[in-house]
Amino acid sequence: EAQVTQNPRYLITVTGKKLTVTCSQNMNHEYMSWYRQDPGLGLRQIYYSMNVEVTDKGDVPEGYKVSRKEKRNFPLILESPSPNQTSLYFCASSRGIFWTGELFFGEGSRLTVL
Amino acid sequence: GQQVMQIPQYQHVQEGEDFTTYCNSSTTLSNIQWYKQRPGGHPVFLIQLVKSGEVKKQKRLTFQFGEAKKNSSLHITATQTTDVGTYFCAGDSGAGSYQLTFGKGTKLSVIP
Repeated sequence: EAQVTQNPRYLITVTGKKLTVTCSQNMNHEYMSWYRQDPGLGLRQIYYSMNVEVTDKGDVPEGYKVSRKEKRNFPLILESPSPNQTSLYFCASSRGIFWTGELFFGEGSRLTVL
Repeated sequence: GQQVMQIPQYQHVQEGEDFTTYCNSSTTLSNIQWYKQRPGGHPVFLIQLVKSGEVKKQKRLTFQFGEAKKNSSLHITATQTTDVGTYFCAGDSGAGSYQLTFGKGTKLSVIP
């Protein structure tokens, strides 16, 4: 089954404790992206990647890091989480040839930073 | 940067009434996509519009892309309780940008 898998789905952590949210897709997609969703603000792009070893900042990259060492994986790293990073996070992928194309979203990771 | 405005933010309708959400971009778009997110779920792709003035239908849903490729609308005829959710538009500014800018969404509630 074609899917985007995120882990963990739910996480409560404390300020400053490094964490990684993993994302994996099994569709051989070139393009992957991370979004955060906050009430009243919609979906905002954090980082995206066009291909292996190619990443770029989205609209709200501060406080986040990403890597794309393999085509299928695109982890989101919070080196020193802060309470303002409490949010619902979505990973998404697409074929992304000439433009972004249809995005396939993971089920989301709800992160709470205390 | 590119901005995509979506209105209304909320819409409550009686089951059987029609519903429309509108999307406006500050820049010309190469294409626009629409997504639906059910409560507690993740966004799911509905459709992509590419051509100026394009109209596409999916059963009770009608999608339009403006002539200037700066606005779009989603119209649902005779809403049902299964239509409940938040509808997002997402604008793509063009080949090579690879950045979809999402509107803030319209949350639809349907009263049975």
